[in-house]
Amino acid sequence: QKEVEQDPGPLSVPEGAIVSLNCTYSNSAFQYFMWYRQYSRKGPELLMYTYSSGNKEDGRFTAQVDKSSKYISLFIRDSQPSDSATYLCAIPSNTGKLIFGQGTTLQVKP
Amino acid sequence: NAGVTQTPKFQVLKTGQSMTLQCAQDMNHEYMSWYRQDPGMGLRLIHYSVGAGITDQGEVPNGYNVSRSTTEDFPLRLLSAAPSQTSVYFCASSFSGAAALNTEAFFGQGTRLTVV
Repeated sequence: QKEVEQDPGPLSVPEGAIVSLNCTYSNSAFQYFMWYRQYSRKGPELLMYTYSSGNKEDGRFTAQVDKSSKYISLFIRDSQPSDSATYLCAIPSNTGKLIFGQGTTLQVKP
Repeated sequence: NAGVTQTPKFQVLKTGQSMTLQCAQDMNHEYMSWYRQDPGMGLRLIHYSVGAGITDQGEVPNGYNVSRSTTEDFPLRLLSAAPSQTSVYFCASSFSGAAALNTEAFFGQGTRLTVV
């Protein structure tokens, strides 16, 4: 079993839709959770991070962690064509290495 | 600041050739790493370094060598290229390797390598 699992999609939604992106992880000791966004032919960039359980909101983006079920989510409200990208969840291990999910490719159609 | 700079952006190699992918960062980061990205596989760690003179293997190290003689540079060397090494390679750096918020990784633009 991979330490971090993510459905690679692709996911296609109409503009204005609410998008839900999800990852599961196996190690209950993980404390920090990150979401990276990667535009086509670019390197990933940090979008949001959260610590432990709960929600964190930044504009149209909300990151949510449920440690009891080892489940992390990223919600995008009022999705825009400019949100079309690959979204990768990432978790730093206790050795400092970042463990990435497979990435979900999102397309928002005008 | 230029951030993380990778060269070249594109490369085509013949099977058996060797080459070095260059990576440089100007943020004085201690932690640097190399990933490869293949469709449906996400980012897989090849090698990483926690500081000058210290390197270690990641998830998929076979066929690759690294060295870290300075804080700024972390080159990745392909010893004898194989078609299975066709991929997009990303170099990343971060302030530290600790499991903390300052583990944010800054990525280069990637090198697209094709081995024929």
